[in-house]
Formats: sequence, structure tokens, C-alpha cells
Amino acid sequence: NAGVTQTPKFRVLKTGQSMTLLCAQDMNHEYMYWYRQDPGMGLRLIHYSVGEGTTAKGEVPDGYNVSRLKKQNFLLGLESAAPSQTSVYFCASSYSRAALYGYTFGSGTRLTVV
Amino acid sequence: DQQVKQNSPSLSVQEGRISILNCDYTNSMFDYFLWYKKYPAEGPTFLISISSIKDKNEDGRFTVFLNKSAKHLSLHIVPSQPGDSAVYFCAASGAGNQFYFGTGTSLTVIP
Repeated sequence: NAGVTQTPKFRVLKTGQSMTLLCAQDMNHEYMYWYRQDPGMGLRLIHYSVGEGTTAKGEVPDGYNVSRLKKQNFLLGLESAAPSQTSVYFCASSYSRAALYGYTFGSGTRLTVV
Repeated sequence: DQQVKQNSPSLSVQEGRISILNCDYTNSMFDYFLWYKKYPAEGPTFLISISSIKDKNEDGRFTVFLNKSAKHLSLHIVPSQPGDSAVYFCAASGAGNQFYFGTGTSLTVIP
């Protein structure tokens, strides 16, 4: 009964380093999302996927790349980390557009870029 | 350009009383609205939703009201319990796949 699992939970990066955040869901959901949460900004959508092999840009996609090679996994990559990418990152998944059923969120990854 | 706004960063309520959390939106094309609850160090969890064809939806102690003409929705919790202390986010969506979230309201229920 894992739901949505994010790896890692915490990470500190130096400016210019790269990393990949992994999101895995075991609910056979079609849709997956990556959000970032910053103080005073709410949650903002970075990228999303409506199915295996598909990705699309959200509200704040710059500096990030994503891949959905398997239905259950959604990866978020930072090629060259910047201090502005210090944030808490949440992955979420849903059966469909989740209009009335909501998303299932992971517990978050706290990333600090120094 | 915040399309969904929660103007009260925090709210304190006595246990047993009603909690009212407010949310305003600017995009008249939004037709689905959700509320999420978030505890520290956890992801948000879905609480309740409403579509634009309704003006009220109830689920136990939680009721969401939608006023389309005012572009305003509210979440009522009654009676409030200490376990309801959390950050509450409203979110709205139109025809696309993206939900826009508010900045959250931190609710404290005082025993």
C-alpha cells in the first residue's frame, strides 16, 4: 500500500551539479505530475505526463527535464542546479485528469542548492 | 500572476467551533475545484471537491461552497477538531490538465 514514493527525501547540491528525482506509483495511474512548493507561492506545476512515453510542460518548466519510460515511474532531472531551484518537490499521480477525485501525492523531496 | 488566492495565511479556531477557509480565483474558465490538507513533512492529501455545476458539496464535517459569480469558494469544517490543524490548499482547473493551487492557509484548532 505504498501509493506514491519519492526518492530521495532530502538532498543538498552544489550549483551546477545535476541530479534526478525519482517518483514511483503502484496504483496503475495514467497521469503523473511534478510540483514545486515555495514559501508564499503555493504548489506550481513543473511538468506532467498523461501516459507512458508522454510528457508536457507545466507552469514552471525551465531548468527541468522529465521522462516517463515506464507507466509507474516519472523522473525529474536537473541538469545544472541553481539556487533558485531550492524548493520542496512533490510528485503526484491520478487515474485521469483527477477533476473530482484529486491527486495522490508523495511525501516530498527537500532540495537545497548552495 | 496568482490565479488562485488564499488571502489568509493563518487561522485559529477553538475546538468545536466552525472553521471557514476562503479561496478566490480569477479565471472564469475554471470549472473544478479541490481542497487539500497538508501536515508537516507529508504530501498534500485530497479532502473534498466541487464542480461548477454545483454550489455545495458535503462530506461529513467538511462542506465546500462555490459562488461562481463572485469567483469564490470556501471550506467549512464543523465541528473543528485538533487533528484538523494543518495547512489547507485550494486548487482550481479548467479545460486543461493543470490545477492551479493557492498559497495555503494554516489552520490551528485550539483544544
